[in-house]
Amino acid sequence: EIVMTQSPATLSVSPGERVTLSCRASQSVNGNLAWYQQKPGQAPRLLIFGSSTRAPGIPARFSGGGSVTEFTLTISSLQSEDFAVYYCQQYNDWPLYTFGQGTKLEIK
Amino acid sequence: EVQLLESGGGLVQPGGSLRLSCAASGFTFSGYAMAWVRQAPGKGLEWVSTISGTGSDTYYSDSVRGRFTISRDNSKDTLYLQMNSLRAEDTALYYCAKLLSYRDKYGDYRYYFDYWGQGTLVTVSS
Repeated sequence: EIVMTQSPATLSVSPGERVTLSCRASQSVNGNLAWYQQKPGQAPRLLIFGSSTRAPGIPARFSGGGSVTEFTLTISSLQSEDFAVYYCQQYNDWPLYTFGQGTKLEIK
Repeated sequence: EVQLLESGGGLVQPGGSLRLSCAASGFTFSGYAMAWVRQAPGKGLEWVSTISGTGSDTYYSDSVRGRFTISRDNSKDTLYLQMNSLRAEDTALYYCAKLLSYRDKYGDYRYYFDYWGQGTLVTVSS
């Protein structure tokens, strides 16, 4: 099983700031990595797939990067609606998909 | 518009059974693999099971294999999860999710979750 580790667990930031979330895989996932946003009481929403491709309708302020085992999600200028929990997920190891434990973005 | 609507959750005693359903609309259901993913209260996401578009191939996590059965009825655009021998650790919000495929840079087909339902809560407790 590929273990996904996200850091930090919680990030306190101010609206308008730029923030970068990290995700590490225990082995190479060949770029087959997705990011999801989850707000309280809501289902996860796909943001990024293929480590860097934005899903349809996702604002350009969200960008994904990285390769092999190290990945990032950057939000260029935080909006109020971006405060949520973010999960990374590898889908290289079909069908044994695994998620990171999540990073919570909270308002500073 | 893609919509996934789960139902069937509830309170069940340890050792009991439940059948979850997920009604799909807005896409050609039979053309896509589907999955169940769960989230224990206050915890992260855990993949549970996946089924191919035709229903001929099924996959399970180690934690549910032998107890849960995924199935689908393409004539009704509905996904199911039959859960038997339930345990306290199965308590979670269960999401159904649609899988979308693409070819990666190596030419291999890859599948990721592009749409999720709102979930149905399963509580296993005496």
